[in-house]
Amino acid sequence: QITLKESGPTLVKPTQTLTLTCTFSGFSLSTAGVGVGWIRQPPGKALEWLALIYWSDDKRYSPSLKSRLTITKDTSENQVVLTMTSVDPVDTATYYCAHTRLFTTSYAFDIWGQGTMVTVSS
Amino acid sequence: QSALTQPASVSGSPGQSITISCTGTSSDVGGYNYVSWYQQHPGKAPKLMIYEVSNRPSGVSNRFSGSKSGNTASLTISGLQAEDEADYYCSSYTSNSTLVFGTGTNVTVL
Repeated sequence: QITLKESGPTLVKPTQTLTLTCTFSGFSLSTAGVGVGWIRQPPGKALEWLALIYWSDDKRYSPSLKSRLTITKDTSENQVVLTMTSVDPVDTATYYCAHTRLFTTSYAFDIWGQGTMVTVSS
Repeated sequence: QSALTQPASVSGSPGQSITISCTGTSSDVGGYNYVSWYQQHPGKAPKLMIYEVSNRPSGVSNRFSGSKSGNTASLTISGLQAEDEADYYCSSYTSNSTLVFGTGTNVTVL
């Protein structure tokens, strides 16, 4: 059974760096085709894709946020970390991590974490 | 990249069929068969309903079906049920090797 869980601060001050961790089980990020992505959703608004990392360490970022995002993986710890620099109140959102796998549900997220709410405010 | 365009809301009576559109460009929806659809109930994480335009994951009701024509993808819900009332989002792979979500559609069962 695949599960993912997001963790990180609930409150961050403007201009600070936000670090979120996705801890997963039931799969390995060293298995060919496997990827973990981050998606966020501001209160009452739509989903926004942020970043994706594959088993091969191939990384993809949202063009509009690329300069502020870094995604990394720790295969031994079964974790994926997303950092976002220079946060602003508009970054207030629920942040989700999710599983994908090429050649099965390619470019679709089949299992999602429960999400973690992050508020950016002074 | 711009969000894919979906109608803000769609409604139908129980038992009816409804269709939600998702319009992009030749650089995303029209260029690849990697359109997916998600259902999201209030306060819950999204759930994958359709991937690769028309494939249903195991466990998803066959009342949900997907299709694509040109730059527009569609999700059809047949035999509408009260439990189908939720927000629905499309997503597509893009020519930049990235992903993009739609603006979201709220489905109301009358």
